[in-house]
Amino acid sequence: AQTVTQSQPEMSVQEAETVTLSCTYDTSENNYYLFWYKQPPSRQMILVIRQEAYKQQNATENRFSVNFQKAAKSFSLKISDSQLGDTAMYFCAFMYSGGSNYKLTFGKGTLLTVNP
Amino acid sequence: ETGVTQTPRHLVMGMTNKKSLKCEQHLGHNAMYWYKQSAKKPLELMFVYSLEERVENNSVPSRFSPECPNSSHLFLHLHTLQPEDSALYLCASSQALAANTGELFFGEGSRLTVL
Repeated sequence: AQTVTQSQPEMSVQEAETVTLSCTYDTSENNYYLFWYKQPPSRQMILVIRQEAYKQQNATENRFSVNFQKAAKSFSLKISDSQLGDTAMYFCAFMYSGGSNYKLTFGKGTLLTVNP
Repeated sequence: ETGVTQTPRHLVMGMTNKKSLKCEQHLGHNAMYWYKQSAKKPLELMFVYSLEERVENNSVPSRFSPECPNSSHLFLHLHTLQPEDSALYLCASSQALAANTGELFFGEGSRLTVL
């Protein structure tokens, strides 16, 4: 079974600075997706960024980028130029890309606070 | 209208009550999900429906009973719950289970407190 570990329960960053959230996972599969989801306070969880395991190039979405290290089974999220609206719970998630490919395995989350 | 709407947003019930959570999606998706979110725990997948057929029942106690009358609506019927069932219940949808890219669209959740 896959497991996803987020070792930082809480983090904080000053507005406009850069922060990196850590995620490691454990799987014996070779083909899978990795995700970062964001859950702002009392608002809907939304997908921030997705990485396909077969792609060596790290995914980027505006101020959000990942550092995907497949051999190390590491998938960190970097937020550049942090904004107050980035304050949220961030969840790392894994999904096998074959067979019953609808099950996402989530980590416990990291609460990020952006301070003014 | 937001993509996925859940009602009620907050619910307090006694252990002998019967209540229901409702989810509606306006995205034309074919798959819908119930997740349970408890503090300091990973999200737990409870049920999955694809084209109104249940494809997953993740060892959920029978006091939780899902219903999917059509591809836009999903219910979670609750009866004789326990205090440990208190949590945020999230509904989500996705385009389809086949060729799923893993992008789920979530509602804001229903915060359930069982007294």
